[in-house]
Amino acid sequence: EIVLTQSPGTLSLSPGDRATLSCRASQTVYSEYLAWYQQKPGQAPRLLIYGTSNRATGIPDRFSGSGSGTDFTLTISRLDPEDFAVYYCQQCAGSVWTFGQGTKVEIK
Amino acid sequence: QITLKESGPTLVIPTQTLTLTCSFSGFALTTGGVGVGWIRQPPGKALEWLALIYWDDDERYSPSLRSRLTITKDTSKNQVVLTMTNMDPVDTATYYCAHSPGRKGPFDSWGQGTLVTVSS
Repeated sequence: EIVLTQSPGTLSLSPGDRATLSCRASQTVYSEYLAWYQQKPGQAPRLLIYGTSNRATGIPDRFSGSGSGTDFTLTISRLDPEDFAVYYCQQCAGSVWTFGQGTKVEIK
Repeated sequence: QITLKESGPTLVIPTQTLTLTCSFSGFALTTGGVGVGWIRQPPGKALEWLALIYWDDDERYSPSLRSRLTITKDTSKNQVVLTMTNMDPVDTATYYCAHSPGRKGPFDSWGQGTLVTVSS
């Protein structure tokens, strides 16, 4: 089973800042099976990025994903007040899905 | 528009079996590639994938929970059912069902989740 480790655990930033979130896998992940989700308190997760770099429907272009192999990144170019939330990476390999432990983006 | 909604007991006694139903609309679980999965989240903790069933009845399970889980579908009712045996307080969590558009795909639509508490 592939373990995903996200860093940092918490990111304290201000609106307008650039956020860079990391997701590192214990083994090589196929890029087409790497996704990112946003979760706000009391809400279900929302798909942001799939296939490493493809934005899901309705996701603003300030969100972008990149990476390959074992290292993946979610970048929020300019934080909007609504972007403060927890972000999870997720992969599927051998028909087993795993999630990272999450990165909380909080207001500084 | 795809919608999913989980239903089931809010309180389960330890050692009992949990049965959760996911009722969905906006897609057919007979369409090639489509799957419905279950994911849970203990309070304040991360997401954990549990199981998924594809349109062709292919079932996939978390290796660590496989012995306790069964996932089934009823395409005539647009429902997917998850059963988890031998419930323990550590299984207290919000349980979500979610739509996956393709093999090994992401979860692009989620239900609102249902909180299940395991306690005597």
